[in-house]
Parts: sequence; C-alpha cells; structure tokens
Amino acid sequence: QKEVEQDPGPLSVPEGAIVSLNCTYSNSAFQYFMWYRQYSRKGPELLMYTYSSGNKEDGRFTAQVDKSSKYISLFIRDSQPSDSATYLCASNAGGTSYGKLTFGQGTILTVHP
Amino acid sequence: DGGITQSPKYLFRKEGQNVTLSCEQNLNHDAMYWYRQDPGQGLRLIYYSQIVNDFQKGDIAEGYSVSREKKESFPLTVTSAQKNPTAFYLCASSPAGGRYGYTFGSGTRLTVV
Repeated sequence: QKEVEQDPGPLSVPEGAIVSLNCTYSNSAFQYFMWYRQYSRKGPELLMYTYSSGNKEDGRFTAQVDKSSKYISLFIRDSQPSDSATYLCASNAGGTSYGKLTFGQGTILTVHP
Repeated sequence: DGGITQSPKYLFRKEGQNVTLSCEQNLNHDAMYWYRQDPGQGLRLIYYSQIVNDFQKGDIAEGYSVSREKKESFPLTVTSAQKNPTAFYLCASSPAGGRYGYTFGSGTRLTVV
C-alpha cells in the first residue's frame, strides 16, 4: 500500500464549478501537507501548505487536513480553464525523515469553457 | 531571480550509454533531491542530499549515481545499468528539513533510442 493515495482521475469539470481533490495517507507521523500544481511538461509548483489538522484558504483555493481520518483535500472555487493541470498532494513527517516528501500519484484536472 | 535550472530539457540516450542530467540552484538551499516521474506513478525519489559531500539513496536508486561537490549543484548520472530510463526527471531543493515544501526545476525528459 502506498503511503499517500490519490485518485488519478482524470477529472473534467465545466468552468465555474467547485472542484474537490482528495488524498488519503497511512503514515500517522505525517504532520506537514502540501498541494502542488503541475502543468504539462513543467515542474510542480507549490500551491498550498498546511501543518497538522485544519483549513487554510488562499484566494480560490482551500486546503483541508483531517488527521483523525488521514484525509487531505483541496477545493478550488470558481474553477478556470487555467486551473487545468495535474494536482499532487504530498506529506512529510518532519524529524528524522528530514525533508523527504511522499507524493500521491497526482490527479489530472481539466476545466472546460 | 532565484530558482532551479535543469538542463538539458530533452535528452536522448542510446542503449548502453551513460548520461548526466544537470541541476543547479541559486536559492542557497541546503537540501537537493532527484525524482523520477512516470505516467500514473507520481514522483519517486531517486537520491537526495542534505549537505555538500553527502547523499542518500531514495526508493529507486538502482542504476543511478549522484555527486554533491558544491552546494549549488547536484548532477544525476543515469547509467547503462538502469533498465528503463525513459522518464521525466525532476530536481528539487529545499531549506534544511524540507518541511515547507520543495522548489522544483522544470524537468528533463530522457528518452532511450
């Protein structure tokens, strides 16, 4: 079993829709959670970062972590065609894992006009 | 502007040949990482380095080698022992600990011909 599981999709939504992207993880030591956005043939870019449980909002994006159920979510409001990309969740335990991020498989999102 | 530069963007390798992928960063980050990305498999860690002159194997190090002689540079050699080298290779860096996420380069697409 992978430590971080993510539905690869693909996910296709109309412009303006609310998008929900989800990951589950199995390592109870994970404390730091990130979402990356990756456009085709480009490197991933950090979109959201959260520590422990709770919500974090940045513009149209909201990241949510529920450590009790080991569930990570990213919500995109008023989705735009420019949001079409692969979204990767990632987690880090800190401490002795020293910087090693564990990534999900990525979800391919297409927002059509 | 600070960032990570990977070169070349595209690389073709003949069977039995070693090739070296370049990764340079000017972010003054201590840690550097190499990932391999294949469709549907997310990012898999090849090697990482927390400090100059020190590096550790990741999850799929067989057939690869690295060096870290300078803080700014972390080249990856794909040797002839790597049986399936065709993939998208991503270099990343982070401050010590990496808990706040990585900065990625734009990637190198390696194809065996």
